[in-house]
Amino acid sequence: QITLKESGPTLVKPTQTLTLTCTFSGFSLSTSGVGVGWIRQPPGKALEWLSLIYWDDDKRYSPSLRSRLTITKGTSENQVVFSMTNVDPVDTATYYCAHLVYGDSTYFDYWGQGTLVTVSS
Amino acid sequence: EIVLTQSPGTLSLSPGERATLSCRASQSVSSSHLAWYQQKPGQAPRLLIYGASSRATGIPDRFIGSGSGTDFTLTISRLEPEDFAVYYCQQYGRAFGQGTKVEIK
Repeated sequence: QITLKESGPTLVKPTQTLTLTCTFSGFSLSTSGVGVGWIRQPPGKALEWLSLIYWDDDKRYSPSLRSRLTITKGTSENQVVFSMTNVDPVDTATYYCAHLVYGDSTYFDYWGQGTLVTVSS
Repeated sequence: EIVLTQSPGTLSLSPGERATLSCRASQSVSSSHLAWYQQKPGQAPRLLIYGASSRATGIPDRFIGSGSGTDFTLTISRLEPEDFAVYYCQQYGRAFGQGTKVEIK
């Protein structure tokens, strides 16, 4: 059974760096065709894709946010770390990590519960 | 960068009615990499359709995905009370559409 859970600060000050960790179980990020993605959702708004890391350590970022984002595999084999620099109140959102299937089709089939991050001084 | 535009923004229907949701891409998208998700308030999104037309595990057959190229459709043949939610399309595990809310009329 695949599960994912996001962790990190709930409150971040403007201009600081937000760092979130996705801890997962039930799959290996070393398996071909697997990835982990980050998606966010401001309160009352739509989903916004942020970043992906694939089993082979290839990485993709949202073009509009690329300069501020970093995604890496964690020091533990079952973790992915996501960071966003220079946060602003508009970055207030629920941040989700999700398990990606990549191959003949591409989709997120399992999602974490999400973590609400508020950016405020 | 491919942009997905969903229409309508809101669909007001009654239980038992048919819902037709549209997802249009700014350039051609491989249907193999087009997915649909359902999201209810306070919940994470749930995968409904992948590969434009394949239902995910446990998804009822009233959810039907179709389309190719730049035009994709999610049809809910007969709305059940639990189907009132927001629906998103996504391409290649990346950009999402802005969502269509299906609300009770």
